[in-house]
Amino acid sequence: QQQVKQSPQSLIVQKGGIPIINCAYENTAFDYFPWYQQFPGKGPALLIAIRPDVSEKKEGRFTISFNKSAKQFSLHIMDSQPGDSATYFCAADGVNNNDMRFGAGTRLTVKP
Amino acid sequence: DAGITQSPRHKVTETGTPVTLRCHQTENHRYMYWYRQDPGHGLRLIHYSYGVKDTDKGEVSDGYSVSRSKTEDFLLTLESATSSQTSVYFCAIRGLGFHEQYFGPGTRLTVT
Repeated sequence: QQQVKQSPQSLIVQKGGIPIINCAYENTAFDYFPWYQQFPGKGPALLIAIRPDVSEKKEGRFTISFNKSAKQFSLHIMDSQPGDSATYFCAADGVNNNDMRFGAGTRLTVKP
Repeated sequence: DAGITQSPRHKVTETGTPVTLRCHQTENHRYMYWYRQDPGHGLRLIHYSYGVKDTDKGEVSDGYSVSRSKTEDFLLTLESATSSQTSVYFCAIRGLGFHEQYFGPGTRLTVT
């Protein structure tokens, strides 16, 4: 049973568009929600993360929106570029911080 | 890759043979993790270590063992490889942040 559910599985947008990837979790003990970006043949790279005490965090063109009551969070990529084409994973970690759970991933394609 | 190397990077082995994957870090991090990545499942934690000779099980530990005799090395062993263990294996370390994890480049293992 996947504790973090991610959608969509794949996403295609035009350059300059704003792809949105959504994740939902069940366990209210989670208190750290990162997003990872992975290019083919590489390991996942930490992109941005949020704690549940804030509703939004922005770093450059990447924004996390967090809805604690709905147990959902999402990644928005502003002004998307072909170089953003990658697989994105959301994740959630709890206070014991040794049991991070990942979503299944979203393959994003940004067309020129 | 946060000073993390994995070896080998690719391996093909036969069912029933033992396999050991190595993770090496250069930055003296206390916490190290082994994950497997499979389509539709994201990343799932196999085992982790919180110090030399201190290890614990993760979500999918059956069929795997680990050892950590030095701070810099974390070994993952498949005692008798099965086809269901065909996967990409990633090692990670916990950085200075309480939750932040940084991944190595991965090992692609095929069990025939």
